[in-house]
Amino acid sequence: NAGVTQTPKFQVLKTGQSMTLQCAQDMNHNSMYWYRQDPGMGLRLIYYSASEGTTDKGEVPNGYNVSRLNKREFSLRLESAAPSQTSVYFCASSETRSYGYTFGSGTRLTVV
Amino acid sequence: DQQVKQNSPSLSVQEGRISILNCDYTNSMFDYFLWYKKYPAEGPTFLISISSIKDKNEDGRFTVFLNKSAKHLSLHIVPSQPGDSAVYFCAALFGNEKLTFGTGTRLTIIP
Repeated sequence: NAGVTQTPKFQVLKTGQSMTLQCAQDMNHNSMYWYRQDPGMGLRLIYYSASEGTTDKGEVPNGYNVSRLNKREFSLRLESAAPSQTSVYFCASSETRSYGYTFGSGTRLTVV
Repeated sequence: DQQVKQNSPSLSVQEGRISILNCDYTNSMFDYFLWYKKYPAEGPTFLISISSIKDKNEDGRFTVFLNKSAKHLSLHIVPSQPGDSAVYFCAALFGNEKLTFGTGTRLTIIP
C-alpha cells in the first residue's frame, strides 16, 4: 500500500541506549517530518526536511538527530535515550498544503 | 505558547446527533486550517481543510466553519456514527511553514 512506513512499531530502551527510527514514503513527496505525541500535548514537531539534503529543527529537537538519506527516507536518531523521550513518534510527508500530511502508523517508544 | 488550542479534551455525543468540535488559534498569520482524525494505534488521517479566504467547507457529513475575527474554527459531524469515535486534532499553517497541531479532542459516539 502506498504511504508512509515506520519501523519499528514498538521499542523499549534503557536509559542511555541509542536507536534509530526509520521512515520511508513512496509518494514522491518532497517534505518529511518527525512528530512526537504525548498525552495532553498534542503533536509536536521534532525535526523536518523540506527537501532532500535539508533538515531543520522543529519545536522540540533537543536529544534528537535526523538524516534525510534520500527523497524517500528520513530517519530519527536518539543518541542517549532518556525517560522523557518515552512517547509515540510519527513520521509524515507532504507535497501540497491542501491535503496536509500523510502520517505513518507510529512507533511507541518506552525508555526505562 | 500553544498557538492552536482545543479546550475540550473529550466529548460524548449520541449516535445520530450532531458532534461539534471546537478549536481556537492565536496566530493571525495562519491562513490554512485542517482537521485530522486519529484511531488508537494508527497515525492521524486527513479529514477536511479550509482556507482563510472561506468561512465554510463541506464534505459529506463533515463541515468546517471558520470565524477569522474570533480566531475560531469548528468541525460539525452530522449525523454522528459509531465509527466517528476517535481523537480529532485541528491544525494550522501559514505560507509553507509547518503544521501546528492542537492538543486533540476525544470524541465518543454513544450508540
